[in-house]
Amino acid sequence: DGGITQSPKYLFRKEGQNVTLSCEQNLNHDAMYWYRQDPGQGLRLIYYSQIVNDFQKGDIAEGYSVSREKKESFPLTVTSAQKNPTAFYLCASSVGQGRRNTEAFFGQGTRLTVV
Amino acid sequence: RKEVEQDPGPFNVPEGATVAFNCTYSNSASQSFFWYRQDCRKEPKLLMSVYSSGNEDGRFTAQLNRASQYISLLIRDSKLSDSATYLCVVKGGRNNDMRFGAGTRLTVKP
Repeated sequence: DGGITQSPKYLFRKEGQNVTLSCEQNLNHDAMYWYRQDPGQGLRLIYYSQIVNDFQKGDIAEGYSVSREKKESFPLTVTSAQKNPTAFYLCASSVGQGRRNTEAFFGQGTRLTVV
Repeated sequence: RKEVEQDPGPFNVPEGATVAFNCTYSNSASQSFFWYRQDCRKEPKLLMSVYSSGNEDGRFTAQLNRASQYISLLIRDSKLSDSATYLCVVKGGRNNDMRFGAGTRLTVKP
């Protein structure tokens, strides 16, 4: 079955550590996105990518980094520079710009807690 | 100013009620519009796309007004199972970015 997979589902990090969240899709989608969601709030865009080896900052990119070395994969690293990283992280993918049926599909999310 | 503004809610309605959600967006170059539903502690899932001509899916009707940069969702004959957070989504403004409204929480009560 085609889909988008995030791992792990739950992640605990000590303060000062970097941590990488995985996002893999086998939908052959060009576009991939990372969002952060805090309790009772909407989704805020961290980074997005339209093609391999290219990505753009979203609204809250500070303290995060990404890479897009393969079409299927868009990992997100939460660095020690992110002051308040505890949140629900969601990855999404969609077909590229200029295509029909451009809705996004989401992974099940990763809950990151700093301890 | 946020790129996507949405009614904050919450909306608490009885079963059978009709409820409407509204959303405005700031980037006139946006190309695609959607309503997503998110249940508690779950990922968002597509409810319906929104087209300029308006579109209906059972009890749900979505409208888009490009001139006013306004999106709406109407839910008729509310069911208990409609209780969720509804998110409006705007896509394709710059480099095919995709931005969400803050979400409107709906609770349907018996």
